Amino acid sequence: EAGVVQSPRYKIIEKKQPVAFWCNPISGHNTLYWYLQNLGQGPELLIRYENEEAVDDSQLPKDRFSAERLKGVDSTLKIQPAELGDSAVYLCASSSLAGVSNEQFFGPGTRLTVL
Amino acid sequence: GDSVTQMEGPVTLSEEAFLTINCTYTATGYPSLFWYVQYPGEGLQLLLKATKADDKGSNKGFEATYRKETTSFHLEKGSVQVSDSAVYFCALSGSMKTSYDKVIFGPGTSLSVIP
Repeated sequence: EAGVVQSPRYKIIEKKQPVAFWCNPISGHNTLYWYLQNLGQGPELLIRYENEEAVDDSQLPKDRFSAERLKGVDSTLKIQPAELGDSAVYLCASSSLAGVSNEQFFGPGTRLTVL
Repeated sequence: GDSVTQMEGPVTLSEEAFLTINCTYTATGYPSLFWYVQYPGEGLQLLLKATKADDKGSNKGFEATYRKETTSFHLEKGSVQVSDSAVYFCALSGSMKTSYDKVIFGPGTSLSVIP
């Protein structure tokens, strides 16, 4: 079974430029998460999808961040414009059941460097 | 709000040494507790979990016991190997304030095992 796929693995951009990250969850997983992981810290949830609906986006900085999950499968996270402080690893995760203590499966992440 | 505290790293051990990584949490109700591991260049993987007080989670020689009275979930392994070198994250979900679909992670503890 293929795991969670993310691309690109690394991205270097200059500040004020836009950037997008892509995630393909495990087949059949209806819940998808985007996390932000700063260096030396644990992941912090940005947004959670149940199928195509964003059910928790309270931590997403909506002035510059946006996300979509058209058709309830893969998802894109965008930053426009990027700031120096956005340098971090962006993790995508998926799970198959909502409302229970279920396991989340993580992708390898996209490491973003903003110069 | 809910939070997870872990012992600071990095932790460096010799092969076959005993490992303890301390984890304590603050939460209302009875959350589920997890240990995730992140190997270099990879995403987080669930290592073990416990869903109620006095439960013991175990996997790959690692163990952790859910201690409600001390709000702790310390990770232990009797004999570490070089391949255990990774970052370990303690986490919780499913408290009165944190839904089962949202996971609160600790800052992570880096472990290096030397031959």
